[in-house]
Amino acid sequence: EDKVVQSPLSLVVHEGDTVTLNCSYEVTNFRSLLWYKQEKKAPTFLFMLTSSGIEKKSGRLSSILDKKELFSILNITATQTGDSAVYLCAVNTGTASKLTFGTGTRLQVTL
Amino acid sequence: GAVVSQHPSWVICKSGTSVKIECRSLDFQATTMFWYRQFPKQSLMLMATSNEGSKATYEQGVEKDKFLINHASLTLSTLTVTSAHPEDSSFYICSARDSGQSINSPLHFGNGTRLTVT
Repeated sequence: EDKVVQSPLSLVVHEGDTVTLNCSYEVTNFRSLLWYKQEKKAPTFLFMLTSSGIEKKSGRLSSILDKKELFSILNITATQTGDSAVYLCAVNTGTASKLTFGTGTRLQVTL
Repeated sequence: GAVVSQHPSWVICKSGTSVKIECRSLDFQATTMFWYRQFPKQSLMLMATSNEGSKATYEQGVEKDKFLINHASLTLSTLTVTSAHPEDSSFYICSARDSGQSINSPLHFGNGTRLTVT
């Protein structure tokens, strides 16, 4: 059974801090790993990673994949209260390319 | 950008009734759509893969007779929760992949439907 595990489950930081969110996976047919941000409704897409060691960056967010060790990290620097959300890691697997989601990391950024 | 419209955004129904949720891709075609369920403070759990013109593929433990999926066109999939019970109360989210894009391209999500069964 495909499995995606995220840590920590929840995190509270002060505005301006840097955070690192972790995602490890065990799947039978890896295609890609994706990070999503979920506030109140639908997840919004952040990054898609397919190759090891290549950092993807968007503003204060960045992510990297290690296909040998089967994990990915999502970094957020200079956090802001607007970064408060649940961050979901998902792995695209199988012939139908379905997504298997991790448990999510609930991030709260306080003033 | 690609938009997925999900309707209704919230619904309250009585136990024993059926509820239909629609998922439409507005500016792209989607031969495959996915239905997820999310309980409070939990992650998204895939329920089924909806295939245009053919039967849906259900995940283990999901009752196909209870959660009826119809994908009659390239832009519309529907999920009907039949004989709903309070334990079916959840957040249901659909997603779709643009058929014109790579199979690895990110899914586009609807805004979800919050179902409450009383």
